[in-house]
Amino acid sequence: SQKIEQNSEALNIQEGKTATLTCNYTNYSPAYLQWYRQDPGRGPVFLLLIRENEKEKRKERLKVTFDTTLKQSLFHITASQPADSATYLCALVLYNQGGKLIFGQGTELSVKP
Amino acid sequence: DTEVTQTPKHLVMGMTNKKSLKCEQHMGHRAMYWYKQKAKKPPELMFVYSYEKLSINESVPSRFSPECPNSSLLNLHLHALQPEDSALYLCASSQENEVGHSYNEQFFGPGTRLTVL
Repeated sequence: SQKIEQNSEALNIQEGKTATLTCNYTNYSPAYLQWYRQDPGRGPVFLLLIRENEKEKRKERLKVTFDTTLKQSLFHITASQPADSATYLCALVLYNQGGKLIFGQGTELSVKP
Repeated sequence: DTEVTQTPKHLVMGMTNKKSLKCEQHMGHRAMYWYKQKAKKPPELMFVYSYEKLSINESVPSRFSPECPNSSLLNLHLHALQPEDSALYLCASSQENEVGHSYNEQFFGPGTRLTVL
């Protein structure tokens, strides 16, 4: 069966450390993988997109990797801050599916001062 | 303007009511989406519109009726809903790479919090 799983429902880290979130998928062949941030009661906000033929993308303190052999994406936030506390969602984008996003269940990140 | 707006922010309705949710964007995006999100769950796709035509319906019950009157507006008409339909309804838009296909980032609105009594 098809599955997309994020490593944990909740992740607690200390301010200044690097947060690493994992997204694994089974029986999908995504064209792209996207990461979104969602704060309580608000819509998701796009962070990064990586294509199937790309290994790594960076944007400021954010880094995403994509390994289509392992069927896994890692999302890193370096020098984390309390303001980074939110739920992070990975989403697969499949070929010829009209832009449909298939979301993982999300990881709730809490960064303590 | 990179904003997607949704009205109303909150809606409470009875099971016999008819109501509509509205979504608007002025980014020139030709792909628009409705998602449903329950508490502590990820968004689930309901409908996709491409160039004002319905391209994907994820087997949504007919008590939800989408409409795309023009390239900036998306409506979701609600009728005879059930209490289990209570959720956050999110609208999103994106640029298309080609007609009917978008691999680009989606811009989400703040959502409408719907409660069905």
